[in-house]
Amino acid sequence: NAGVTQTPKFQVLKTGQSMTLQCAQDMNHNSMYWYRQDPGMGLRLIYYSASEGTTDKGEVPNGYNVSRLNKREFSLRLESAAPSQTSVYFCASSPVGFGWEFFGPGTRLTVL
Amino acid sequence: AQSVAQPEDQVNVAEGNPLTVKCTYSVSGNPYLFWYVQYPNRGLQFLLKYITGDNLVKGSYGFEAEFNKSQTSFHLKKPSALVSDSALYFCAVRDMKNAGNMLTFGGGTRLMVKP
Repeated sequence: NAGVTQTPKFQVLKTGQSMTLQCAQDMNHNSMYWYRQDPGMGLRLIYYSASEGTTDKGEVPNGYNVSRLNKREFSLRLESAAPSQTSVYFCASSPVGFGWEFFGPGTRLTVL
Repeated sequence: AQSVAQPEDQVNVAEGNPLTVKCTYSVSGNPYLFWYVQYPNRGLQFLLKYITGDNLVKGSYGFEAEFNKSQTSFHLKKPSALVSDSALYFCAVRDMKNAGNMLTFGGGTRLMVKP
């Protein structure tokens, strides 16, 4: 039981490049989330998916897109990376009604 | 809108002493409150939650938290700190009345336990 897995662990991009962050969970959870973590700002929600087939914007969605590929997988795409998107990205999942989220190990992204 | 405040960027405590990490929140409905811990280069780990019931909630690794509705606080406590407790701690709130039920995090408090 791997929990929540994320790939890649590290990535360096140049401004304007695109990439997709992958996330998968094997706990049969309905809800999945993407957060970014910046120093002193805690975690901020980018997008979430309450269930397979649905996605909604969080607090900071600009510059990102998401795909809930199936119940297990939720990807985050940066179409044209900007230095302001340099951050650590966390994927999380939770079952319905459980209340708390299980986090992946994170992806450290640097945009030059 | 819901919000969480962690007024201390860092808390320093000697090993064996009690520790408190402060958290206050604001929601329009009833709060679901959480504490998470983050060790270096790791994701967040759930410590404990308050949903309803007793105001004193016990969680993992000997931590507990006290819910105070009148002061809108949910402070994290431990009677005797360990060096291994040194980490980044996040308080979070979910307003179960709001659509989307998004989890809002505080800015985090770094706990340093000195031997």
